[in-house]
Amino acid sequence: ETGVTQTPRHLVMGMTNKKSLKCEQHLGHNAMYWYKQSAKKPLELMFVYNFKEQTENNSVPSRFSPECPNSSHLFLHLHTLQPEDSALYLCASSQDLFDGYTFGSGTRLTVV
Amino acid sequence: GENVEQHPSTLSVQEGDSAVIKCTYSDSASNYFPWYKQELGKRPQLIIDIRSNVGEKKDQRIAVTLNKTAKHFSLHITETQPEDSAVYFCAALSGNQFYFGTGTSLTVIP
Repeated sequence: ETGVTQTPRHLVMGMTNKKSLKCEQHLGHNAMYWYKQSAKKPLELMFVYNFKEQTENNSVPSRFSPECPNSSHLFLHLHTLQPEDSALYLCASSQDLFDGYTFGSGTRLTVV
Repeated sequence: GENVEQHPSTLSVQEGDSAVIKCTYSDSASNYFPWYKQELGKRPQLIIDIRSNVGEKKDQRIAVTLNKTAKHFSLHITETQPEDSAVYFCAALSGNQFYFGTGTSLTVIP
């Protein structure tokens, strides 16, 4: 692992389930992000946290709920998802908002 | 907001040849342009980046060029090897948000 760890690596959930994705970074970075990666599309920014404070919420449906208890941990709580939410969810961190990212390995989410 | 376009979407080259991937952007205020490599089933990894105060940056077989006037930047890979096969993403920093291209799937044929 490079310093950004995501769990679980794979997740299959029903549309009525509640689950959470976890991200942890050991790099001392101040900013953390959630991205959605779908086939044939650009990476979609979902949420940005800088020094634990949310700075961006790119019109993400409320069935996705982020949580950032400290600068090293980031969660994405999932509830009542739709099949079109199936994708690879990537966590990333950076020293600050203007630096390149270190990505986690992602969680491959399948909604059935 | 920023709009980043990336071409081509797929690229096949013979081992040893060069590969060039180009991205254009719309916001003239964008000032930082990283490139990421994502091998199959793995995480994207930052491979090279360039800031708007320089026109070219090189790291061994990889180089990035930036033309601020034309608002485009390119990734150049020389002497390609099979392990260069991956999806490459460009990005542009506009404000405090990165905008990504749609990716280029590069295949290096041995």
